[in-house]
Amino acid sequence: GENVEQHPSTLSVQEGDSAVIKCTYSDSASNYFPWYKQELGKGPQLIIDIRSNVGEKKDQRIAVTLNKTAKHFSLHITETQPEDSAVYFCAASDTGGTSYGKLTFGQGTILTVHP
Amino acid sequence: DTGVSQDPRHKITKRGQNVTFRCDPISEHNRLYWYRQTLGQGPEFLTYFQNEAQLEKSRLLSDRFSAERPKGSFSTLEIQRTEQGDSAMYLCASSPPGRPLHFGNGTRLTVT
Repeated sequence: GENVEQHPSTLSVQEGDSAVIKCTYSDSASNYFPWYKQELGKGPQLIIDIRSNVGEKKDQRIAVTLNKTAKHFSLHITETQPEDSAVYFCAASDTGGTSYGKLTFGQGTILTVHP
Repeated sequence: DTGVSQDPRHKITKRGQNVTFRCDPISEHNRLYWYRQTLGQGPEFLTYFQNEAQLEKSRLLSDRFSAERPKGSFSTLEIQRTEQGDSAMYLCASSPPGRPLHFGNGTRLTVT
């Protein structure tokens, strides 16, 4: 089955700095890679996703890059703000057949943005 | 869009008791998923429904676990003879076909 590794486990930055979180996956059949933000006491919230036919996707201060050959993808947050502080999870899925929502998650990154 | 609703938010039970959780998905979403999340870990897939049909179950879903979605709307997850290792956050998510998952805020189960 799929295995997703996520690094770093914790990340501390100053407000206004950039933050980068990296993930690797093992199953070459995976073709969908979402990123979720989870705040304390809440469920994961989708912040951005990318499919394997795209190398990069950007949404305001958030961007995701994908390197299919190396089987890794990264989340980039620019101009970080204290409200970006949360746990971030990457995930991977093979959307073929019935498995679309069967996501394999990384272990999470606790991001702390200091004012 | 009222979001995915889960009930209860918290459940404390004694080992050996049965518990049942409910999930109400976003109304137009025909796919419904259950995930389990333990402290400090990412969510793990348990099972998934398309309408009322349960299409896939993880090896994590032992015989003590059963999920239903009788009319293709809300779903229930029952755990029989709970064990301390069942303590976790149980997350429900829903989606339309081919679209991203929307998660609820989960039910936190504590087995004492």
